[in-house]
Amino acid sequence: DQQVKQNSPSLSVQEGRISILNCDYTNSMFDYFLWYKKYPAEGPTFLISISSIKDKNEDGRFTVFLNKSAKHLSLHIVPSQPGDSAVYFCAARDSNYQLIWGAGTKLIIKP
Amino acid sequence: KAGVTQTPRYLIKTRGQQVTLSCSPISGHRSVSWYQQTPGQGLQFLFEYFSETQRNKGNFPGRFSGRQFSNSRSEMNVSTLELGDSALYLCASSNNNPGVGANVLTFGAGSRLTVL
Repeated sequence: DQQVKQNSPSLSVQEGRISILNCDYTNSMFDYFLWYKKYPAEGPTFLISISSIKDKNEDGRFTVFLNKSAKHLSLHIVPSQPGDSAVYFCAARDSNYQLIWGAGTKLIIKP
Repeated sequence: KAGVTQTPRYLIKTRGQQVTLSCSPISGHRSVSWYQQTPGQGLQFLFEYFSETQRNKGNFPGRFSGRQFSNSRSEMNVSTLELGDSALYLCASSNNNPGVGANVLTFGAGSRLTVL
């Protein structure tokens, strides 16, 4: 069973607009959630994280929102830039301190 | 500070062969994790090593194994290769202080294995 789901395989957004990437989870015991970005031929790189006791964390153009009652988190990128085109993975940390990963969403920023 | 280095970057094997992949973590990082990534799938956790001991293991068959050396470098081995083992194998290191914030992983660029 997939404990972390990213239901949109891809998303296309106009440059300068807001990109919203979504992630759903099933395990209420996850204590941290992380977003990673991956370019082709490179490993994933860490973007931003949020503790389960928070509902928002912001870092520059990136903001992550956590809705615990809905078991849903989202990553907002404002404004979107061409360099943001990549695959975005959300991951959740379980009680063994292991990360459970979603399948990824490919974000395409159109000029 | 050098990043996580994985070798080889690309390799082609045939069914039944075995393969060994290598990972050098960031200096000072003692935790090394291995993941398999296939198209349409997230990163599937293989195992984690800390101080030469396997601390966690994912849901992969015994054909997948690994080890960590005293300098924290790690290797993973896949024996009796199958077509379905074709994937990107990613290694990640962390300084692993689980009680302090999220344990952020730093990934290498991966080793892309093709099994024919």
